Amino acid sequence: GDSVTQMEGPVTLSEEAFLTINCTYTATGYPSLFWYVQYPGEGLQLLLKATKADDKGSNKGFEATYRKETTSFHLEKGSVQVSDSAVYFCALIPNRDDKIIFGKGTRLHILP
Amino acid sequence: NAGVTQTPKFQVLKTGQSMTLQCAQDMNHEYMSWYRQDPGMGLRLIHYSVGAGITDQGEVPNGYNVSRSTTEDFPLRLLSAAPSQTSVYFCASSTPASGFYEQYFGPGTRLTVT
Repeated sequence: GDSVTQMEGPVTLSEEAFLTINCTYTATGYPSLFWYVQYPGEGLQLLLKATKADDKGSNKGFEATYRKETTSFHLEKGSVQVSDSAVYFCALIPNRDDKIIFGKGTRLHILP
Repeated sequence: NAGVTQTPKFQVLKTGQSMTLQCAQDMNHEYMSWYRQDPGMGLRLIHYSVGAGITDQGEVPNGYNVSRSTTEDFPLRLLSAAPSQTSVYFCASSTPASGFYEQYFGPGTRLTVT
């Protein structure tokens, strides 16, 4: 069935380091892909999305490119800040009227 | 504009007790959903609603009931709590145009069943 696999955490980086959180997916057809972020004590917030192959979603310095050939949607940021410490969820919607499927989440710690 | 609100923030129940988790939104969103979040499991959809009077099951509906009498409110009922229902529960809302593509989440209710 349709699924999302993301790298296990926690991921610990120093401030200003380069971030990559890997996400790969399994889906028939042409899914839409998402990254959500959950800051401590809060609900999830949509960070970025891409709805077709080769699209790049971006927001708050984060980027992810929809790669159909590698079935991936890796999250990247060039220089992380302490305030980026959170749990990041990769997710997909297989087809337009389907429900969203979340990955297990990756906890990110940024050290000052 | 409060967005999506959930009450209570924390709750401890004994096995067999019942309770209702409240969810309300003031954005006039027709779509509302309930998720549970367990360690190492991500979020899983429990029930959802596409409008007042309309509800449907998600991935893990057993042990939970919902109803949607108004656009604003979407309560989740546990009729007989079990330890397996210990989790963090999130409510979310969205517009019909967005569907599950852009949901707004509440802050969550942390439930412990002993």
